[in-house]
Amino acid sequence: SQTIHQWPATLVQPVGSPLSLECTVEGTSNPNLYWYRQAAGRGLQLLFYSVGIGQISSEVPQNLSASRPQDRQFILSSKKLLLSDSGFYLCAWTTGARGVEQYFGPGTRLTVT
Amino acid sequence: ILNVEQSPQSLHVQEGDSTNFTCSFPSSNFYALHWYRWETAKSPEALFVMTLNGDEKKKGRISATLNTKEGYSYLYIKGSQPEDSATYLCALHASGGSYIPTFGRGTSLIVHP
Repeated sequence: SQTIHQWPATLVQPVGSPLSLECTVEGTSNPNLYWYRQAAGRGLQLLFYSVGIGQISSEVPQNLSASRPQDRQFILSSKKLLLSDSGFYLCAWTTGARGVEQYFGPGTRLTVT
Repeated sequence: ILNVEQSPQSLHVQEGDSTNFTCSFPSSNFYALHWYRWETAKSPEALFVMTLNGDEKKKGRISATLNTKEGYSYLYIKGSQPEDSATYLCALHASGGSYIPTFGRGTSLIVHP
């Protein structure tokens, strides 16, 4: 069966510090991978998605970046965090088919102070 | 950009009440709609996938209907229980262009004992 891991579970970082969140998927190959964020009082916002190694599409302009160094690894980074980066970050995966459900990781609660 | 609207934004009900909420979407280019339940401190989990006009799906006390011609889906909860408290998300898959789903902002349901 497939499993998706995210870490860390919680993170408190000062403004201006770097960020690295990691997501890995087990039990499947060549998944489509996604990073979402839910800011306080807001809906689920798609940040990045990837259909393959080294292929990253950005949905919103921001100070975040994503990388996919391996087939089942997806990393969300920032060189300098902003207060507005606080939120709950979710990684998700799907197969490559249209209309299939997304499988979400356990999430990372990021607080930028 | 697809406009997926969910209403109400939040809902407070008493234990035992039945409730329903709505997901509205553009009726053209419909491919599939997913409903997810997102409990606090957990990751979203899929409830239903709806693909055909007139679809009705049921899981225990929760059911959903779909009207693709007028562009809406209803989620019903019969006899709400405190454990039903969660945010309910709908996600639309369109038939053209990107395989990326568009999520609504969710309906936050709180069931008071």
